[in-house]
Amino acid sequence: SAVISQKPSRDICQRGTSLTIQCQVDSQVTMMFWYRQQPGQSLTLIATANQGSEATYESGFVIDKFPISRPNLTFSTLTVSNMSPEDSSIYLCSVLKQHEQYFGPGTRLTVT
Amino acid sequence: TQLLEQSPQFLSIQEGENLTVYCNSSSVFSSLQWYRQEPGEGPVLLVTVVTGGEVKKLKRLTFQFGDARKDSSLHITAAQPGDTGLYLCAGSNYQLIWGAGTKLIIKP
Repeated sequence: SAVISQKPSRDICQRGTSLTIQCQVDSQVTMMFWYRQQPGQSLTLIATANQGSEATYESGFVIDKFPISRPNLTFSTLTVSNMSPEDSSIYLCSVLKQHEQYFGPGTRLTVT
Repeated sequence: TQLLEQSPQFLSIQEGENLTVYCNSSSVFSSLQWYRQEPGEGPVLLVTVVTGGEVKKLKRLTFQFGDARKDSSLHITAAQPGDTGLYLCAGSNYQLIWGAGTKLIIKP
């Protein structure tokens, strides 16, 4: 299994600002993922972050808006840039380990 | 485009009743995973089914993978308030395809 922590757990931000979310895993993993989720709804993949290469973004998500860093095999960050109220959501970090996917507790972001 | 249809989207039943959640697709998956998520937490993996026709049991939860590996079901027997949560299925090929989720409420 994998134990994942995220910081911050929640934040309220003003529109136009940026927030960086941190994801820390208790073991080395190759594949890390960032998801977005509206409360009570399913998950939408933002990007896949592999160490040593640029993140791969899904349709509808761009690097300028959601820059990702992956400096090593246990850590990643997702920045939500130039935020608008539409960015209010839960952001989840996830890792693939031994063919199974594990999730962090999420970061609940509210943009006012 | 691969789709995974999950139903029902919302279910509210009394404690002690049985229920079944379905995930259906026209695509074949190499495996399918079921997750449960509680408010304020990330999804937690319940089970992975890999083989067509496979049945796995986790206490009062029974998971089945269709013979053709296109569909799956989650059956809960004698539901309890602690089963309340959001249940998500996800089919796996080269990427995970997520169902819409089933919000389950078990009333005492």
